[in-house]
Amino acid sequence: AQSVTQLDSHVSVSEGTPVLLRCNYSSSYSPSLFWYVQHPNKGLQLLLKYTSAATLVKGINGFEAEFKKSETSFHLTKPSAHMSDAAEYFCVVIPHSGGYQKVTFGTGTKLQVIP
Amino acid sequence: GAVVSQHPSWVICKSGTSVKIECRSLDFQATTMFWYRQFPKQSLMLMATSNEGSKATYEQGVEKDKFLINHASLTLSTLTVTSAHPEDSSFYICSATFSGTGELFFGEGSRLTVL
Repeated sequence: AQSVTQLDSHVSVSEGTPVLLRCNYSSSYSPSLFWYVQHPNKGLQLLLKYTSAATLVKGINGFEAEFKKSETSFHLTKPSAHMSDAAEYFCVVIPHSGGYQKVTFGTGTKLQVIP
Repeated sequence: GAVVSQHPSWVICKSGTSVKIECRSLDFQATTMFWYRQFPKQSLMLMATSNEGSKATYEQGVEKDKFLINHASLTLSTLTVTSAHPEDSSFYICSATFSGTGELFFGEGSRLTVL
């Protein structure tokens, strides 16, 4: 069994300040972990992914995430928020068994960026 | 990266009519395609998984006769909402993958409004 918990449904930051979006997971298999971003009325765009290589993963638009097995976490961070970062962010777990039917989405975190 | 295209982006129809949504992988052959439904302010709910040339596998609670999925080729899957009713109004998103990538590629989504 696997699950994904995004601890905050809504995060609000000021422009230029750091962003932290939290994600914890549980998985019976060694997982691949992803962060996707969704702008209003749009599909999902991949920000970054962890697939058992380096634990610190750098993605697009200045985002990065660190896989911490001991804490079963994969938090998403960015040093300085931009207005264009305002969107919904989803943490996704895919088991290494390749069972795509077991893809598990977090409930999402809405990021608000205040000018 | 790999591109998945959905069409139409927006569709409005009368209650009782059927609506077809297309999902195409533009620059790769998708071994598996997935269809999701997303209610406002919620995460994605997997509706079904389809492999080219075989019947779709539906998630529990999803009506097979209402949501017809066809995966006729390695680049095209279609979702037909039959006899649509207002409660079927939602945002429908497809994703596709191919063997060995360990990644999902998402379409832009299709907003269905049933009057």
